[in-house]
Amino acid sequence: DVVLTQTPPTLSATIGQSVSISCRSSQSLLHSNGNTYLNWLLQRPGQPPQLLIYLVSRLESGVPNRFSGSGSGTDFTLKISGVEAEDLGVYYCVQSTHAPYTFGAGTKLELK
Amino acid sequence: EVQLQESGPGLVKPSQSLSLTCSVTGYSITSNYWGWIRKFPGNKMEWIGHISYSGSTSYNPSLKSRISITRDTSKNQFFLQLNSVTTEDTATYYCARYRGIAAHVMDAWGQGASVTVSS
Repeated sequence: DVVLTQTPPTLSATIGQSVSISCRSSQSLLHSNGNTYLNWLLQRPGQPPQLLIYLVSRLESGVPNRFSGSGSGTDFTLKISGVEAEDLGVYYCVQSTHAPYTFGAGTKLELK
Repeated sequence: EVQLQESGPGLVKPSQSLSLTCSVTGYSITSNYWGWIRKFPGNKMEWIGHISYSGSTSYNPSLKSRISITRDTSKNQFFLQLNSVTTEDTATYYCARYRGIAAHVMDAWGQGASVTVSS
């Protein structure tokens, strides 16, 4: 199975601070069809996960553009440019290139 | 707008079967792919499997011998059955829709059903 190593496990930020989360894969996530199926989810407290970013860098409809994704192959990053209070929760990277699909261990974003 | 809602017993005894229903409104399950994912106490997430618009299925090999995903298109529902449960199956179970005609992007999620396995 593909292992996604997500760092850091916890992130403390102040409002307005920019932060980044890393997700590294044990193998390339480039699919044979040319797409890279690396997505980012946010789970706020008491809520189900929601899709933020798909296909590495495509912003889901309704998601603020302070969220951005980048990367290729095995190395990916989620950046939040100016944390807001509503961004608190647990962030997951998830790959759906190789079955079984796998998730990173999560990064908990807290207010400092 | 698509909405998904999980339902099922919150408590299951060890060695018994866990059965969950995902009721979908606002979208037909004869389109797209539909999946099950679970979150264990702590933050670990695990993909369980999915069922396609045509009824074909794909399962996580770690669970393949114990799980079955089926559907009832007349009720617009799909189901998860997990057999021979142990305490390690205690988790919150989510159903989700995949975007488009392939099973790669989970873009809509249910609220989750908390299941505890205990005698």
